[in-house]
Amino acid sequence: DQQVKQNSPSLSVQEGRISILNCDYTNSMFDYFLWYKKYPAEGPTFLISISSIKDKNEDGRFTVFLNKSAKHLSLHIVPSQPGDSAVYFCAASADAGGTSYGKLTFGQGTILTVHP
Amino acid sequence: DADVTQTPRNRITKTGKRIMLECSQTKGHDRMYWYRQDPGLGLRLIYYSFDVKDINKGEISDGYSVSRQAQAKFSLSLESAIPNQTALYFCATSDSGGGETQYFGPGTRLLVL
Repeated sequence: DQQVKQNSPSLSVQEGRISILNCDYTNSMFDYFLWYKKYPAEGPTFLISISSIKDKNEDGRFTVFLNKSAKHLSLHIVPSQPGDSAVYFCAASADAGGTSYGKLTFGQGTILTVHP
Repeated sequence: DADVTQTPRNRITKTGKRIMLECSQTKGHDRMYWYRQDPGLGLRLIYYSFDVKDINKGEISDGYSVSRQAQAKFSLSLESAIPNQTALYFCATSDSGGGETQYFGPGTRLLVL
């Protein structure tokens, strides 16, 4: 049972345009969400996160939106740059005391390609 | 220098062989994790350790074992490797007092023939 799903295996965007990566989850106990970026031959690197008490978090060109009622989050990259081309993973964690505390559940990943 | 290192970076082995993957960290974190990545499946948790005396199974622990030799070292063993353990393996660390963010090593690419 895939508790965190990224239904788009790939996304292609023109440089300067917006990239929107989507993620859905099923476990209502998840209350903290993260996005990681992964380049080939490297480990995933943390990009941005959001707590369930918020619906938006911004960091420069990156914004994460959380819709708790829909169990959906998205990552917006504006403007997109060729260096953003990578695999993006969303991940979720549950609150303290739960069996998932301290553990991350990852989605399958979305390959983003930004064309010059 | 990298905060989380993994050795080896690449390994080819044969079915039935025992193999150990090693992870070291200089971040001073209490928690360490082992994941495997397969195409289309994302990262899946194999084992995790919240401190030196605490070892827990993840969602796909069968066929694997771990050892937490010190706060900074966490190794993953495949007692008898099989071809479907061919994957990319990542070690990660996190700070027990610093939220849920995990920091990953560069990965080990393992091929079991």
